[in-house]
Amino acid sequence: QKEVEQNSGPLSVPEGAIASLNCTYSDRVSQSFFWYRQYSGKSPELIMSIYSNGDKEDGRFTAQLNKASQYVSLLIRDSQPSDSATYLCAVFGNEKLTFGTGTRLTIIP
Amino acid sequence: ETGVTQTPRHLVMGMTNKKSLKCEQHLGHNAMYWYKQSAKKPLELMFVYNFKEQTENNSVPSRFSPECPNSSHLFLHLHTLQPEDSALYLCASSQAGQREYYGYTFGSGTRLTVV
Repeated sequence: QKEVEQNSGPLSVPEGAIASLNCTYSDRVSQSFFWYRQYSGKSPELIMSIYSNGDKEDGRFTAQLNKASQYVSLLIRDSQPSDSATYLCAVFGNEKLTFGTGTRLTIIP
Repeated sequence: ETGVTQTPRHLVMGMTNKKSLKCEQHLGHNAMYWYKQSAKKPLELMFVYNFKEQTENNSVPSRFSPECPNSSHLFLHLHTLQPEDSALYLCASSQAGQREYYGYTFGSGTRLTVV
């Protein structure tokens, strides 16, 4: 079983719609969770972090965490073409950050 | 200079060459990391340095040799590489003791091609 699992996509979403990205993790003692955005040929950029169950909102982004289900998600409202990128889910536990393979998101104008 | 800078951005080397990747962070962090990113694979943690001391080597082949002379600089020395080592090599930094809150900051990466 992979430690951090994401659907690799591609996920295509019309401009202005809500993009929903999902991630599951295997280690129950994981402490904190991150979403990184990576444009093609660029480095990962941190966009959201979440530590407690529930929702955390920052602008058009909402991260959701359910530790009982070992599930974390990222919602992007009012999707823009500039949101087209690969989104990496990362889980911190046992003193290290473990990444999923990423979901490629394409926003269709 | 701000953030985490990596040089060179691109590197093509033969299997018998020796080269080095350089990483420098200007964030006052005290932990640094090397990651390898290959197509369709998750980011693979290679090495971890906390306060200049190597605290993790994730079963990386000896043809990769890290060096951390101080908390701001990190090198990855390469020799006798194989074509399957071609990948994007990413350096990252964080503040030890706070990384579970703030994650890691990545450099722009070195795209390595072994021919």
